[in-house]
Amino acid sequence: DAGVIQSPRHEVTEMGQEVTLRCKPISGHNSLFWYRQTMMRGLELLIYFNNNVPIDDSGMPEDRFSAKMPNASFSTLKIQPSEPRDSAVYFCASSLGSYIYEQYFGPGTRLTVT
Amino acid sequence: GDSVTQMEGPVTLSEEAFLTINCTYTATGYPSLFWYVQYPGEGLQLLLKATKADDKGSNKGFEATYRKETTSFHLEKGSVQVSDSAVYFCALRPNTGNQFYFGTGTSLTVIP
Repeated sequence: DAGVIQSPRHEVTEMGQEVTLRCKPISGHNSLFWYRQTMMRGLELLIYFNNNVPIDDSGMPEDRFSAKMPNASFSTLKIQPSEPRDSAVYFCASSLGSYIYEQYFGPGTRLTVT
Repeated sequence: GDSVTQMEGPVTLSEEAFLTINCTYTATGYPSLFWYVQYPGEGLQLLLKATKADDKGSNKGFEATYRKETTSFHLEKGSVQVSDSAVYFCALRPNTGNQFYFGTGTSLTVIP
């Protein structure tokens, strides 16, 4: 079975450029989560969706960040304009709806903003 | 609110030593509890879970028991290997809503 798919795996961009990260959750999962991981701040939840609807975006750092989930099989996280402090590994995860189920993480996108 | 507190690292052990990583939680109701492992350069993987009090999760020689009386879910392994070197995260999922709460992670290094 395919797990959570993220693309690209690595992204290097210059400050001020727009960055789009993509995620395909596991088929049938109805919750999707975006996380950011850095050495300084650890693992941070940015936003999560339930049935394609954003439920909690309180972790989104600022207006430069936006996330969409147009359908059950695709989500994007966009940063515009990007800044060097956005450099991190961004993970997407998905899960089934009941509390007894775990999250499945993708391999992550390593973003470097120069 | 709901939260997880886990033992700070880093932890360094010799091969075949006994491992304990402490995790305590705060939650209303009856959450599910998880341990995830992250190897260098990879995403988080589920290591084990427990969905109700007194359940024991186990996998790859690791164990953790859901203790409601002490609100704890400590991770243990009787004999660690070099290949167990990774970061370990304790996590909680409340029995309402879809949110997950992660601890800060504990880095484990096992030396030969």
